Amino acid sequence: NAGVMQNPRHLVRRRGQEARLRCSPMKGHSHVYWYRQLPEEGLKFMVYLQKENIIDESGMPKERFSAEFPKEGPSILRIQQVVRGDSAAYFCASSPSRVSSNQPQHFGDGTRLSIL
Amino acid sequence: SQKIEQNSEALNIQEGKTATLTCNYTNYSPAYLQWYRQDPGRGPVFLLLIRENEKEKRKERLKVTFDTTLKQSLFHITASQPADSATYLCALEGKGGSYIPTFGRGTSLIVHP
Repeated sequence: NAGVMQNPRHLVRRRGQEARLRCSPMKGHSHVYWYRQLPEEGLKFMVYLQKENIIDESGMPKERFSAEFPKEGPSILRIQQVVRGDSAAYFCASSPSRVSSNQPQHFGDGTRLSIL
Repeated sequence: SQKIEQNSEALNIQEGKTATLTCNYTNYSPAYLQWYRQDPGRGPVFLLLIRENEKEKRKERLKVTFDTTLKQSLFHITASQPADSATYLCALEGKGGSYIPTFGRGTSLIVHP
């Protein structure tokens, strides 16, 4: 079984451009979670989506950031008008149902976003 | 406020010894606690989960303990190998609150041959 696939692995953008990060969950998984990781910091939760629905976006900045998980296709994390502070590794995780003591998350290898 | 603390200093040990990593937490009542391994440039990989009513969990050379009185989990790797060198993250979820696990910053383990 293929694991969680994220692309691109590396993305370079100039300030003011848009960044689109894609995540294909594991087969059979309909729950997707996005995290951001800065150097020397832990994984910070951003948003939790289930097919076509945003369940929890409490960790996502209110401006410039959006996420979707359409019925068909990968989940997309979109960052508009990027700034230097958006440089980070963005990880996607998936689970077959709501994460719980029976359902740990499976992570992709992340997208490293660099803002020039 | 809620906190998860892992030692920010790298743990250096000799091959064959037991590595012990600590995860302390405050202002949580976790239903369970998880440990993940993360290699440079890679995503976290799930290792073990221990529930609040379990004292200890084992998997091959790995052992996790969970003391809800001390608010602490210990993660042990016995007979450590250089291939065990990585960053180890703990994550926990609070009962009745958000079911999204919150991660500690991780502790880097370096096993010297």
